[in-house]
Amino acid sequence: SQQGEEDPQALSIQEGENATMNCSYKTSINNLQWYRQNSGRGLVHLILIRSNEREKHSGRLRVTLDTSKKSSSLLITASRAADTASYFCATDHNTDKLIFGTGTRLQVFP
Amino acid sequence: GAGVSQTPSNKVTEKGKYVELRCDPISGHTALYWYRQSLGQGPEFLIYFQGTGAADDSGLPNDRFFAVRPEGSVSTLKIQRTERGDSAVYLCASALYSNQPQHFGDGTRLSIL
Repeated sequence: SQQGEEDPQALSIQEGENATMNCSYKTSINNLQWYRQNSGRGLVHLILIRSNEREKHSGRLRVTLDTSKKSSSLLITASRAADTASYFCATDHNTDKLIFGTGTRLQVFP
Repeated sequence: GAGVSQTPSNKVTEKGKYVELRCDPISGHTALYWYRQSLGQGPEFLIYFQGTGAADDSGLPNDRFFAVRPEGSVSTLKIQRTERGDSAVYLCASALYSNQPQHFGDGTRLSIL
């Protein structure tokens, strides 16, 4: 079974626009991670945010975490065609394994 | 440096056959994970090794699935009496320690005819 749900399931934007993806989860966590997956490839780790953190930045990525609402968001600013991929959130719900959401498929048009 | 390597990249076999999928993790990574990913879904956890031992195998769907990591490095996922429902991409990931970011291989696409 999958712990998280990403929203929206699919997102299409133009280059230069911002993309926002949301993730909701069900049980308490130690940390939440975001991964990217290009078609036919493995997942690439983007950013990890701990349960006691509220916001984290990495380059054009901004992640927020609201543990009271059990939700997180990933913002990609000034998107590029190369950002086209599926994006997944993953939570550990206080164990050593990751439970992934269903993913958001992002399409960035040049 | 080398990333996580999975072989074969594709495997097509008949229903009822036995298959082995191999994962070479990043050197020095103590944690190794196996996931299964169906089309349009996120990866689904199967099993996690810390060193040589399976620390959590709660995701293995039934006793046809088994995995080993005898020397704490390379791991093999074994599926007996394959069924068409086993068709999926099997992903392997490694991490320096558990609860650290995971590094994924490109997966083995398994097709059961």
